[in-house]
Amino acid sequence: GESVGLHLPTLSVQEGDNSIINCAYSNSASDYFIWYKQESGKGPQFIIDIRSNMDKRQGQRVTVLLNKTVKHLSLQIAATQPGDSAVYFCAERTNSGYALNFGKGTSLLVTP
Amino acid sequence: GAVVSQHPSRVICKSGTSVKIECRSLDFQATTMFWYRQFPKQSLMLMATSNEGSKATYEQGVEKDKFLINHASLTLSTLTVTSAHPEDSSFYICSAREPTVKPEQFFGPGTRLTVL
Repeated sequence: GESVGLHLPTLSVQEGDNSIINCAYSNSASDYFIWYKQESGKGPQFIIDIRSNMDKRQGQRVTVLLNKTVKHLSLQIAATQPGDSAVYFCAERTNSGYALNFGKGTSLLVTP
Repeated sequence: GAVVSQHPSRVICKSGTSVKIECRSLDFQATTMFWYRQFPKQSLMLMATSNEGSKATYEQGVEKDKFLINHASLTLSTLTVTSAHPEDSSFYICSAREPTVKPEQFFGPGTRLTVL
């Protein structure tokens, strides 16, 4: 079936640098996308979301970009901090239901 | 607001026994809850959608007789892993839907199940 995938399984960045985590999705019917952060042994934590009628949304230190033409989603984290180290998942929701389809995840490691 | 809890946070059981995991929406009512399973270093996989007062909808490949879901109230859904085996060891995460609060779906902290 259709799925959400990620380009990079691991990403290592230096503290203070910007991070970019990418996600490719294949379901053109998806109308809502969410980025989650998951720390070891914990549930997913909401970071930022974007609807399909938008191409960019900004939060505190984070920006999500959506390119529907190539079905690509990215999460940009500015001035990455050690506390940002975690696994990041993108998730999509189709307009036919409420369940979320999660991507494979990217492990972000922030080094001092 | 929109807090979801799970109990227990960790459980260890012997092979062949059954284990019940609770998912509660603490400050809102959830007509729809979801159960996910996550194996180490993998993503969350949807197991089933739990609707209050009706039968759960299971994803393809998930055995409904093995993973019993009950959503008897607007604040509680339970997942019972029956006759658990070591391959059922995983991190089980629930979420609850609150459509009036973004992002509409709120996740619990997860339950680590280890079957010996």
